[in-house]
Amino acid sequence: GNSVTQMEGPVTLSEEAFLTINCTYTATGYPSLFWYVQYPGEGLQLLLKATKADDKGSNKGFEATYRKETTSFHLEKGSVQVSDSAVYFCALSDSDYKLSFGAGTTVTVRA
Amino acid sequence: DTAVSQTPKYLVTQMGNDKSIKCEQNLGHDTMYWYKQDSKKFLKIMFSYNNKELIINETVPNRFSPKSPDKAHLNLHINSLELGDSAVYFCASSQAGQKEFFGPGTRLTVL
Repeated sequence: GNSVTQMEGPVTLSEEAFLTINCTYTATGYPSLFWYVQYPGEGLQLLLKATKADDKGSNKGFEATYRKETTSFHLEKGSVQVSDSAVYFCALSDSDYKLSFGAGTTVTVRA
Repeated sequence: DTAVSQTPKYLVTQMGNDKSIKCEQNLGHDTMYWYKQDSKKFLKIMFSYNNKELIINETVPNRFSPKSPDKAHLNLHINSLELGDSAVYFCASSQAGQKEFFGPGTRLTVL
């Protein structure tokens, strides 16, 4: 079956620090990969996605590259802000109408 | 205009009660979902409906019964509520193969 493993949190950073959240997956076939973000008190929002190997998704300064050889989709941002404090979920979707989520990583950015 | 809406936003109730959460989407999507997010932020799919038909039913107690009166609505009814049912429940919708849009979530607290 499909599964997503992402790094355990919580992660605490200072403003302007570099952020990496590791995500690896197990899937049959060629899934699409996503990063979702949940800001405090809000629902999930799609942050970025990649639908095939070597695709790079990017949004709001975040990037992630679909690496089929390492089955990874690590999320990175070069300089975080306090407003990036949130829970980040890695997810994958294959053809059966279902998203499989990682456990979520809580990120706190301090001023 | 809200794309995916849920009501109520908060629900506090006693053990043993029966309650419903409603979800509506105005995006014209064919597929709707219910997810449960527990206290550790882990998100797990519960049900998926495509064109009013149940296509995914994960291992969920049969006290939980989804109902889809039409393509735009997917309601979640829960019988005999238990303490462990306390969580945030997210509704989502998508068009096949496209990204999911999430509702704001319903925080259920069972006392």
